[in-house]
Amino acid sequence: QKEVEQDPGPLSVPEGAIVSLNCTYSNSAFQYFMWYRQYSRKGPELLMYTYSSGNKEDGRFTAQVDKSSKYISLFIRDSQPSDSATYLCAMNSGGYQKVTFGTGTKLQVIP
Amino acid sequence: DAGITQSPRYKITETGRQVTLMCHQTWSHSYMFWYRQDLGHGLRLIYYSAAADITDKGEVPDGYVVSRSKTENFPLTLESATRSQTSVYFCASSDVEGFTEAFFGQGTRLTVV
Repeated sequence: QKEVEQDPGPLSVPEGAIVSLNCTYSNSAFQYFMWYRQYSRKGPELLMYTYSSGNKEDGRFTAQVDKSSKYISLFIRDSQPSDSATYLCAMNSGGYQKVTFGTGTKLQVIP
Repeated sequence: DAGITQSPRYKITETGRQVTLMCHQTWSHSYMFWYRQDLGHGLRLIYYSAAADITDKGEVPDGYVVSRSKTENFPLTLESATRSQTSVYFCASSDVEGFTEAFFGQGTRLTVV
């Protein structure tokens, strides 16, 4: 079993929809949770990160962490075609040495 | 231009050849990383560096060598390329120990034939 599980998709939604992207994990030591967006043939770019449990909002994006369920989510409101990309979750227990990435979920927002 | 750049962007090489992938960052970030990205595996850490002359192995270091004589450069060398090293390689840098503000390069797509 992988330490971080992420549904690869693809996930297709109409423009304006609310998108929910999720990851589950097994390592209870994880404390930092990150979401990256990766456009085709580009490097990942950090969208946002959260520490421990709770919600964090940044514009149309909301990251949610439920440590009791070992489950994290990224919500995208009013999705746009420009949001079409692969979304990677990442997490670690602190420090730079060991960041574990999910395999990514491919999202397509249809105009 | 400020940022992190990788070269080359695309490379085809033959089995057994030595290949070096370059990574250069202009922010003077302390931490630098090399990842490979393969379908079904996500990003896996090859090597990382906390500062010039300080490097350490990641999850999949076999067959790779790194050096960091200058803060801004972090080259990755495949000593004797194998087909299993066909992948997309990403370099990243961060000024924060927790990796929460890491920046990735555009990637090098390497094919070993």
